[in-house]
Formats: sequence, structure tokens, C-alpha cells
Amino acid sequence: DGGITQSPKYLFRKEGQNVTLSCEQNLNHDAMYWYRQDPGQGLRLIYYSQIVNDFQKGDIAEGYSVSREKKESFPLTVTSAQKNPTAFYLCASSSSGTAVGGQYFGPGTRLTVT
Amino acid sequence: AQRVTQPEKLLSVFKGAPVELKCNYSYSGSPELFWYVQYSRQRLQLLLRHISRESIKGFTADLNKGETSFHLKKPFAQEEDSAMYYCALSLHNYGQNFVFGPGTRLSVLP
Repeated sequence: DGGITQSPKYLFRKEGQNVTLSCEQNLNHDAMYWYRQDPGQGLRLIYYSQIVNDFQKGDIAEGYSVSREKKESFPLTVTSAQKNPTAFYLCASSSSGTAVGGQYFGPGTRLTVT
Repeated sequence: AQRVTQPEKLLSVFKGAPVELKCNYSYSGSPELFWYVQYSRQRLQLLLRHISRESIKGFTADLNKGETSFHLKKPFAQEEDSAMYYCALSLHNYGQNFVFGPGTRLSVLP
């Protein structure tokens, strides 16, 4: 079954702790993306990667970090430096950086930090 | 700066009525525009892209470069069209690849 998966669906953490969100795809897509979705603000790009071992900051990268050691995987770490980490996080992939064919999205991870 | 605006946060129409979800963009280059839809409890998914000139689920969207718009239209709304709709702009550079609008929630009333 091809697609893009994110785990876990719900995540709870205490303030001050780092947390890593998983994103895996078996679509053989080169590009992967992380977005944050907040009510009334649409999707905001955190990081993206167009190729293994390379990634670029998006609009709101502060307080986040990523790695792209494998084509299939693009984990996102929400660090304690992120001032407002509670949000819904979406991972996406596309077959090319400009995604002429559009992006495929995962089901999302809802992170709650208290 | 590149921007995508969707002026309506919520749009309510009756079943069978025409619907138009507005999207305007600002971009100096050649734009590639998309509409994404998110139904309740489902993941965000691509609805249509302007380069394909396709009609999906009865929806169409025409790129108007003069008005920098990419409005989504359907002549007869159905209840199952109720969802969140996002307009997105793809950029042709190594910087930010995509810009999403804030979204419009479409509610089709019986």
C-alpha cells in the first residue's frame, strides 16, 4: 500500500522536552515537506528537502530541526526553543521540488505541549 | 513577497446552488496553482491543478493572470462538497516551494 505515513497521530509532551515526529513515504518521491497547520492560518512551511542529505528552511523554521538521511524518511524535531509548539503538523511529499503534480499529504500529527 | 489570499473564511450555500471559492495570488514569475481539499477526518488531498485544465468532482478553476486569480467553481453544489479548501501557489525557485492560502470552509446546506 503506497503512501505517506506519520506517527504518532497524537503526541503529548511536557514543556522543555524535545519531541520528534515521524514521516515516511514509499512513493519514491524526491521532495518532502513539513507544514504546521493552525486554525485560520492555513499551512505554513517549516522545512523542506528536495534531495537526501539536503534541506532548506521554510517560513517558520525557528525552534525546529530536520534530517534527511534516507529518501523515504524526513523526521521533524520540535525543540524546547519553539515558543508555541502545540499544533497540527503535516508532512508532504512530491515527485519533484516544484511539484508540478502536486503534493501528497500524510494524515498529520497533533502535538500538545503542556 | 509571494502571497495567496482567500477572502472568505466560511462560505455557506444551499445544495444545488452554484459555488465559487475565491483565490488571488501575487507572484512575479509564471505561477503554478493548485486547489487542495480536506474533508472531515480525512487527509489533505489535491483537488486540481491549473496546468491540467481538468474538472474534478464537477469543480473547475481557471487561471486569470490579468486578475491574478484562480477561483474554484462548481455549478451545482452537493452536500458532500462540504470541506476545507486551500489554494496553493508553487514557486519555481530553490527557496520556498509552496505558499498556501488560509483556506475557506465550504458548507453546503440541505
